[in-house]
Amino acid sequence: ETGVTQTPRHLVMGMTNKKSLKCEQHLGHNAMYWYKQSAKKPLELMFVYNFKEQTENNSVPSRFSPECPNSSHLFLHLHTLQPEDSALYLCASSPLERTGANVLTFGAGSRLTVL
Amino acid sequence: DQQVKQNSPSLSVQEGRISILNCDYTNSMFDYFLWYKKYPAEGPTFLISISSIKDKNEDGRFTVFLNKSAKHLSLHIVPSQPGDSAVYFCAASPYNTDKLIFGTGTRLQVFP
Repeated sequence: ETGVTQTPRHLVMGMTNKKSLKCEQHLGHNAMYWYKQSAKKPLELMFVYNFKEQTENNSVPSRFSPECPNSSHLFLHLHTLQPEDSALYLCASSPLERTGANVLTFGAGSRLTVL
Repeated sequence: DQQVKQNSPSLSVQEGRISILNCDYTNSMFDYFLWYKKYPAEGPTFLISISSIKDKNEDGRFTVFLNKSAKHLSLHIVPSQPGDSAVYFCAASPYNTDKLIFGTGTRLQVFP
């Protein structure tokens, strides 16, 4: 496996369910991100982790709970979601030590539908 | 408040011609600007970036221009190819942060 891998690619859940999205990167990066992409909206930054420590929480509701057990893995735990949370959830990673722009490498995304 | 704006949701260009995608921003505290391309069912992939101290960066068929006084940047693709058909996102990174702030994207269609 190379790059950034996200599972599952598609997820349908009811509002009372608990599920998790998983992200794994094989690039040796130290920063990992969750973004949300809704129709006709910009990609919205949700969380940033640097060396497993959360450095950014962009006012995300508590029904989304991130977990970063190590620099290669990132989870997004979902519980009691609302239909408006249906979106494409994108994971990304980047090297912390860099010269130049902070280039994020994205996974293919997890398409979430909340019924 | 949207800090990075792409006001054209779509653009259609004939193969071989130039594609120009535009992006405006409101925050003067961005140090880098990036363009990403996204195909359906794939994540965004990095295309080209420019530092805020430059006004132009070129990489093959892709050139990004930055006009700081107007808070505007553009991506030029020449010549355009059908494989360039995708959604293009403009992004900006504030100084001393790891964040990338994205625009809403412009869907480019290159037709034969």
